[in-house]
Amino acid sequence: AQSVAQPEDQVNVAEGNPLTVKCTYSVSGNPYLFWYVQYPNRGLQFLLKYITGDNLVKGSYGFEAEFNKSQTSFHLKKPSALVSDSALYFCAVREGDNAGNMLTFGGGTRLMVKP
Amino acid sequence: DAGVIQSPRHEVTEMGQEVTLRCKPISGHDYLFWYRQTMMRGLELLIYFNNNVPIDDSGMPEDRFSAKMPNASFSTLKIQPSEPRDSAVYFCASSLGPSKPQHFGDGTRLSIL
Repeated sequence: AQSVAQPEDQVNVAEGNPLTVKCTYSVSGNPYLFWYVQYPNRGLQFLLKYITGDNLVKGSYGFEAEFNKSQTSFHLKKPSALVSDSALYFCAVREGDNAGNMLTFGGGTRLMVKP
Repeated sequence: DAGVIQSPRHEVTEMGQEVTLRCKPISGHDYLFWYRQTMMRGLELLIYFNNNVPIDDSGMPEDRFSAKMPNASFSTLKIQPSEPRDSAVYFCASSLGPSKPQHFGDGTRLSIL
């Protein structure tokens, strides 16, 4: 079984400050990890993914995420937040060794960036 | 590319009516997914297709729900009869493979009165 947890329903940060959105996962084998963002009345948009290789993954809009195998985490980060980053963020995981497995999404974290 | 296209964007109908949601995936994508999003349950995978064939429909909540993909460029999700608890936003997504990023449509907001 695979699962993902986003422990914070909402994260508040001031514009210009660094932001972190947390994600932890559970899979039996190798994890394939993804971050998506959802703006109001829109579908989810892909931000970045980790499949293998460097633990620090860079994605769209200046976001990055760090894969930490020992802590089973894949936190999303950005050095300097923008008001326009305010949105709903989803972490997702699938067990890479099982071709039949599709993505399992976390419950989402609402990011609020205040001017 | 135009992206994943869903129609209608909004649907309001009365309980007991048949509802059909439509999706056009990105050309060349061989995986198609139907999701439902609600405040209470978050984002749920209902069914997915690979090369137009339904692979896993274990997320379909009841027999009232059915999905088809008659060709590579079109899929439908049908609810018959509809109930108020079916009210949600339904998303269609497509991808080039199970490990490739999924591209989502903008969803259909369904309200069953």
